[in-house]
Amino acid sequence: DIQMTQSPSTLSASVGDRVTITCRASQSISRYLAWYQQKPGKAPNLLIYKASSLESGVPSRFSGSGSGTEFTLTISSLQPDDFATYYCQQYNTYSREYTFGQGTKLEIK
Amino acid sequence: EVHLVESGGGLVQPGGSLRLSCAASGFSFSIYGMHWVRQVPGEGLEWVSFIGPAGDTHYSGSVKGRFIISRENAKKSLYLQMNSLRAGDTAVYYCVRDINGDAMDVWGQGTTVTVSS
Repeated sequence: DIQMTQSPSTLSASVGDRVTITCRASQSISRYLAWYQQKPGKAPNLLIYKASSLESGVPSRFSGSGSGTEFTLTISSLQPDDFATYYCQQYNTYSREYTFGQGTKLEIK
Repeated sequence: EVHLVESGGGLVQPGGSLRLSCAASGFSFSIYGMHWVRQVPGEGLEWVSFIGPAGDTHYSGSVKGRFIISRENAKKSLYLQMNSLRAGDTAVYYCVRDINGDAMDVWGQGTTVTVSS
């Protein structure tokens, strides 16, 4: 099974900061990676798919990059609405194996 | 507007069964793959099961042999039959749309399953 490891687990930042969250896969997943944002009591919301494709309606301050085993989610200038938990997810459409990272909680400094 | 609404959650004893339902609206349900994803309160997300448009099914190792995913396209509905439930199955269960294998783009609000005596 493919394991996904996010770092850091918790991140403290201020409005206006540029932040980066890293996700590492235990084996190559090409670019089959998605990023989600989840706020307390709500369902996750898709931000990025195919490692770097921005989902419709998601602000352009969110961006994704990477391939193989290392990926990043970057928020260029934090807004108050961005404080939430972020999850990466790998998807293998051939084996139908889907794995989430453990999450990164983005807190207000 | 695209919507997914789960129902059927509740309190069940260990070893018992429960059937979750998900009603879809606002899109052509029959052409999409669908997932169930669960989340223990305060913890991370765990993929549970997938059913393709053609009815092919896939399960995580933790539920294989105990859970059955199914769909009824005419009713635009997704189901999860959960048998031999354990305390570790306690979670919020989300119904989720798959966008052609690229990611999960639409999520329901979730239904809570509690397995306890």
